[in-house]
Amino acid sequence: GAVVSQHPSRVICKSGTSVKIECRSLDFQATTMFWYRQFPKQSLMLMATSNEGSKATYEQGVEKDKFLINHASLTLSTLTVTSAHPEDSSFYICSARGLGPYEQYFGPGTRLTVT
Amino acid sequence: GEDVEQSLFLSVREGDSSVINCTYTDSSSTYLYWYKQEPGAGLQLLTYIFSNMDMKQDQRLTVLLNKKDKHLSLRIADTQTGDSAIYFCAELPAGNMLTFGGGTRLMVKP
Repeated sequence: GAVVSQHPSRVICKSGTSVKIECRSLDFQATTMFWYRQFPKQSLMLMATSNEGSKATYEQGVEKDKFLINHASLTLSTLTVTSAHPEDSSFYICSARGLGPYEQYFGPGTRLTVT
Repeated sequence: GEDVEQSLFLSVREGDSSVINCTYTDSSSTYLYWYKQEPGAGLQLLTYIFSNMDMKQDQRLTVLLNKKDKHLSLRIADTQTGDSAIYFCAELPAGNMLTFGGGTRLMVKP
């Protein structure tokens, strides 16, 4: 299957700072990328959907000014958690979909810890 | 609650078959998926089935779809300790966003 990478895999930052997470589709062009958040022992919660070159669509309850998403190219999307607080600590997973709607691939996830 | 439902936990012995069940609600779903998540990792797409199929087999994995009852199952033959993980089923309804179940934790005992 296709490969989606995320960087970094783990990050610890201080409260009030911003953190950028990168998501790349390595061997295919992703028309749509998704960002999810996963709490311990829970399923994935969709945060936002982004299409290359356009603004992201955020799910209800997700603050777009706090979670900035940029989908600058067909292979790269970034999520920036601005002014991070301890409650933002979570596992963030990106996902990418190619031309076919039926195949959606996931990155390995980024563990964010805000101290 | 979630639209896609799964049991929380399944324990089997190594070598036995595992059957993980899932019910979904949106009859417009065109594709249904099974993903595997190992600890601290992202989701790995295991297999998917198109809604006009009843069964799909891929090596040790067999997916059964009962569209009338909106029931999806994943059977893992000859379950190994490396199969221990959380398994998520997901549906892709007409709205085009994957909807996940809560996940089933599979524990394989040696």
